Amino acid sequence: GAGVSQSPRYKVAKRGQDVALRCDPISGHVSLFWYQQALGQGPEFLTYFQNEAQLDKSGLPSDRFFAERPEGSVSTLKIQRTQQEDSAVYLCASSQSRTGGNEKLFFGSGTQLSVL
Amino acid sequence: AQKVTQAQTEISVVEKEDVTLDCVYETRDTTYYLFWYKQPPSGELVFLIRRNSFDEQNEISGRYSWNFQKSTSSFNFTITASQVVDSAVYFCALSEEGRDDKIIFGKGTRLHILP
Repeated sequence: GAGVSQSPRYKVAKRGQDVALRCDPISGHVSLFWYQQALGQGPEFLTYFQNEAQLDKSGLPSDRFFAERPEGSVSTLKIQRTQQEDSAVYLCASSQSRTGGNEKLFFGSGTQLSVL
Repeated sequence: AQKVTQAQTEISVVEKEDVTLDCVYETRDTTYYLFWYKQPPSGELVFLIRRNSFDEQNEISGRYSWNFQKSTSSFNFTITASQVVDSAVYFCALSEEGRDDKIIFGKGTRLHILP
């Protein structure tokens, strides 16, 4: 498709389970972002890739969160030993530009994670 | 530090009324970028506009208009003759030159357009 694709759309996990969320950015887009959006809140920055390089991971809330983009296209956000406070919508966004945050971002529809 | 404040949590107006969504920002940089995004129920944020800090001209795009005032650090968004399809959550956002790794979002304003 032409847009940013995220899967799964919904994920229910038991507390302590590991999860992996996938993002397929627009082909050729250099910059890729992960955001976490809690209910009723704005998106909060998690991490940023420029091609395969993870240039900023300052927003990852704990060492249970890990993101990768090994070939500079598809990205995976992994959460280990999920906790209830991890429940949120995880948004992926991409941009054609190397200065991704200063440009228009294209967002996916997100993965809604519910940890029981 | 960067900060974006959208004081209006939720607004309801009747269709065809005009509505203004407020956005106030804080930054120490002289070069920065302001954005508005729309998030419909489908969840995907949709880009509406990007302005840089050196361009204070107001912009109009159809029923949408934006008023950027550096003196009050505001970047307000007005929808004229609102329609039911405008119902969504609207986010104002800020990024700083040289900090191209992130955009800071406000908490959003949920807009209900009543038929």
